[in-house]
This record gives sequence, C-alpha cells and structure tokens, in this order.
Amino acid sequence: DVKVTQSSRYLVKRTGEKVFLECVQDMDHENMFWYRQDPGLGLRLIYFSYDVKMKEKGDIPEGYSVSREKKERFSLILESASTNQTSMYLCASRGPGQPLEYQETQYFGPGTRLLVL
Amino acid sequence: ELKVEQNPLFLSMQEGKNYTIYCNYSTTSDRLYWYRQDPGKSLESLFVLLSNGAVKQEGRLMASLDTKARLSTLHITAAVHDLSATYFCAVGTNAGNNRKLIWGLGTSLAVNP
Repeated sequence: DVKVTQSSRYLVKRTGEKVFLECVQDMDHENMFWYRQDPGLGLRLIYFSYDVKMKEKGDIPEGYSVSREKKERFSLILESASTNQTSMYLCASRGPGQPLEYQETQYFGPGTRLLVL
Repeated sequence: ELKVEQNPLFLSMQEGKNYTIYCNYSTTSDRLYWYRQDPGKSLESLFVLLSNGAVKQEGRLMASLDTKARLSTLHITAAVHDLSATYFCAVGTNAGNNRKLIWGLGTSLAVNP
C-alpha cells in the first residue's frame, strides 16, 4: 500500500511566521503535489514536483514555495503566513508501476489543517 | 482553459434509491478520475477511467466515461448510509510527468435512512 504522511494534522500559527509543511511518501514516486482545499473552492494546486529539485507552479503559488531535496520528501513553505492561508493542505504523490491505473492515481496524505491567527 | 463541472453539488437521497452524479469538462482529455472524501478525512481514489467508453464498477458505484461528450457519470445503485461522503471528479491535463489534475468542486452526498 502507498503511504503518504504529513508532518502535522493540525497547526496553529501567527501572522508573519514562517511555516513548514512536510510530506513524505514511501513508494519511490517521482511526482508529488501540494493542494489546498477550501469550502466552495474545491482542490487547488499550489505546486508540484516531478523529480528531485524540480518544481512547477500550480494554479495558486503566490505566498508559497516548495523544496524537494530528496525523492521521498516534498515540503511546502509559507514564507510569511497570512490569515488567508488558513486552509486544509493536502499532499499527494504519483509514480510509475502497474497496472496503468496505479501510475495514473494520485495518492493523498491525511491533510494538515492550518489556522493562521 | 480546462474547466470541470460537477452536478449536483449537494445531494440528499434515501437509502435504497438510485442516483447519478455528472461530471462535465470543457476540453479534450482521456483521463478521468473519481475520488471520495469522508468528513475530516483525506481523498481516496475510487476509479480511474482511461479511454472512451470505459466503465468501472465497485460495489454500488459505477463510473463511466464518454470522451466525445466530455462527460463522466458516477451512478449509485440502492444507496446505503455508508456511501455518505463528498465525491470529486478530476480530469487529467498534459501528458507525461507534468500531468496535472483539474478538479470539480465535489458532490456532497447524504444518504438518509
């Protein structure tokens, strides 16, 4: 079974703090993704990475950065947290394998619910 | 720009009834995904549909894909309370390693006794 873990389930931070959200997958997947989920807005892609040290902006990258120094770990960084970054953050990974449905599937972590005060 | 629309967004149904959730998308794609999310939990993959005419079934759920109509359906047969959840469809864009998913807003399903 694919396992995607996130460093915290719940996090409370203050405005202006630097926040690190960590995601680790154990299936040697090449692709990793960070989403945020907000009521009425669905899932929105923040950043994704298709290899170590490679990253691409998603649909809402402003205010975020990412780091992928090792294949299994993808970090999301909020350089200076703001109240409008209060949200549920979901990490996912996808990788090669068989059958085809497996390599096409994104596997999600449990999520981090972040509150910025 | 690829857009994905689900309807309905909210669905309240009785146990034992049948219903269909629709997922329309705006540009060509041959990758369609259905996910389930229980309250307070993360997303779990239900179906991956990879070609026109693909049909997948798991228990009381059946998903199909019509790429010409740019439409996927998730059919619920004889609903039970355990199916209460939010169901998302997502459409794949681009190819290869930088494939992204564009998500619908989700259908919140409540199955009542």
